[in-house]
Amino acid sequence: QKEVEQNSGPLSVPEGAIASLNCTYSDRGSQSFFWYRQYSGKSPELIMFIYSNGDKEDGRFTAQLNKASQYVSLLIRDSQPSDSATYLCAVNGDSGGSNYKLTFGKGTLLTVNP
Amino acid sequence: DGGITQSPKYLFRKEGQNVTLSCEQNLNHDAMYWYRQDPGQGLRLIYYSQIVNDFQKGDIAEGYSVSREKKESFPLTVTSAQKNPTAFYLCASSRGLSYEQYFGPGTRLTVT
Repeated sequence: QKEVEQNSGPLSVPEGAIASLNCTYSDRGSQSFFWYRQYSGKSPELIMFIYSNGDKEDGRFTAQLNKASQYVSLLIRDSQPSDSATYLCAVNGDSGGSNYKLTFGKGTLLTVNP
Repeated sequence: DGGITQSPKYLFRKEGQNVTLSCEQNLNHDAMYWYRQDPGQGLRLIYYSQIVNDFQKGDIAEGYSVSREKKESFPLTVTSAQKNPTAFYLCASSRGLSYEQYFGPGTRLTVT
């Protein structure tokens, strides 16, 4: 059974600070990693994906992947109140070769305080 | 605008009734998915379809059925056999099974 673990939070940061969200996964064969943002009552919105070890930057967002340690993180620089949401980590692919299944963590609630 | 539409946004049904949730996409994606989300829970996969006229069960398919007669459409029927149907239902699509998935706005189903 693949597992994706996230700290449920809430994670509270002041406006302008860096928010750091972490995710660990159990299946060492996982290939693709995604971060979704979900506002209360809304559907998840894809904000980042990463396939290779290292960092990937897109605007204020940076995804970091360390396959050896089986964790993926999301950094949000210059956090804004509009970033307040639940962030879902999702992991695709397994060692059995079935790449269809996205396994989601339960999400981390981020609150950015003005 | 390209995107995924789901209808209706809210749906109320009496216990024992079947109900069909609509999902349409104009992204030309081959793969489509249905998930349900319960409060405090992660998303759970109900069914997925890689191509037209083919679909596979996900983790929690019991009490649900789907069809994929057109590339653009992947309706989900919640049958009376589903014991706890009240949930937020999310449809997603992707270029292929290993690619990033994009979600529709969701349908919130309440069964009483």
